[in-house]
Amino acid sequence: QVQLQQWGAGLLKPSETLSLSCAVYGGSFSGYHWNWIRQPPGKGLEWIGEINHSGSTNYNPSLESRVTLSVDTSKNQFSLKLNSVTAADTAVYYCATSNSGTNSYGLDVWGQGTTVTVSS
Amino acid sequence: DIQMTQSPSSLSASVGDRVSITCRASQSISTFLNWYQQQPGKAPNLLIYAASSLQSGVPSRFSGSGSGTDFTLTISSLQPEDFATYYCQQSYGNSPITFGQGTRLEIK
Repeated sequence: QVQLQQWGAGLLKPSETLSLSCAVYGGSFSGYHWNWIRQPPGKGLEWIGEINHSGSTNYNPSLESRVTLSVDTSKNQFSLKLNSVTAADTAVYYCATSNSGTNSYGLDVWGQGTTVTVSS
Repeated sequence: DIQMTQSPSSLSASVGDRVSITCRASQSISTFLNWYQQQPGKAPNLLIYAASSLQSGVPSRFSGSGSGTDFTLTISSLQPEDFATYYCQQSYGNSPITFGQGTRLEIK
């Protein structure tokens, strides 16, 4: 079964670029959709986007202009970059996937979450 | 985007109660509907996928139903560990994934 471990900078200033990575353990890197989701303090879940092993992406339209997802197949890792951050981007960020190989059947594997705070 | 609306936003119940949470999609999503439980400080946990299929390892007191635009998550007999926040999520076709706003289940 796939497991995910994520990391990245937790404190940013406004206008900086958020950068997070997620490593995949215990399974094949191909054949999955790799997702990023975030959760502002005290609020609900927001899907940021997905990428597959070949680099094909699908983004949340509300964030698309600022988001870049990428994969490093040599390291079994995928990454999130969000530029021009503001306080509204303060959230816990999760990487997630589905062991079924498709998002259609829900996300059953999640990273531990990374708290990102944007403050001057 | 497909909007997901959950009701109620919060719910108070007692151990042993039967509770239901509803989720409505802004357009038909067939059965591409999943339910999650989130405990404070933890990542969400998948309970139900494809509207009514129980995820492996999830207790059978959890069940899901519905298709099209209207869906329900039911907990048949609440246990202390079930007090948490619940989210529905649609994964229809090539539409961006969207979540409901969440339902907080509290102890009465």
